[in-house]
Amino acid sequence: AQSVAQPEDQVNVAEGNPLTVKCTYSVSGNPYLFWYVQYPNRGLQFLLKYITGDNLVKGSYGFEAEFNKSQTSFHLKKPSALVSDSALYFCAVREYENTDKLIFGTGTRLQVFP
Amino acid sequence: DAGVIQSPRHEVTEMGQEVTLRCKPISGHNSLFWYRQTMMRGLELLIYFNNNVPIDDSGMPEDRFSAKMPNASFSTLKIQPSEPRDSAVYFCASSLARLAENTGELFFGEGSRLTVL
Repeated sequence: AQSVAQPEDQVNVAEGNPLTVKCTYSVSGNPYLFWYVQYPNRGLQFLLKYITGDNLVKGSYGFEAEFNKSQTSFHLKKPSALVSDSALYFCAVREYENTDKLIFGTGTRLQVFP
Repeated sequence: DAGVIQSPRHEVTEMGQEVTLRCKPISGHNSLFWYRQTMMRGLELLIYFNNNVPIDDSGMPEDRFSAKMPNASFSTLKIQPSEPRDSAVYFCASSLARLAENTGELFFGEGSRLTVL
């Protein structure tokens, strides 16, 4: 079965520093990977996705993610963190190619300190 | 577009009562999902509709839960009778499943926070 793992419950980073939120995946077939963000008391918002093509995917709010097939990873990154980036981040994988059903990771809370 | 609209935003009820959560997907979207979020279990998919037809309800916890999608613009999730362990935030999401393009982007509502006393 398709799955993703987010090994860190929380990531702390100082404003202005680069940030990385980790995600590893386990899939059979081609991976369709996603990152979503959830701000307090809000629904999830789409950040970016990897379907095929370039391993570096650029998304909303200056975020990007690097797909690494050999390490089965899809880490979320941003060169310079903002306090407003503090939120809950979810990695997700599509269950099958012909469906929009997503399997979400457990989430990583990002805290950016001023 | 107004986005995915859920109601009520907050519901407090007593154990044994019936709860109905409502969702209006984005116009033109043909897939609809109900998710439940709790601290203990994270984000769980309960049920998934495509073109108003339930495709996968394997995540529905038990017979007390039921979901319907009578038309493309409306869905309900019903819990009867409700129990304290049903307390959670319930999210509805919709997408336009374009098989050839495989977009996969889900649009989430703001959620319905349910508290069962």
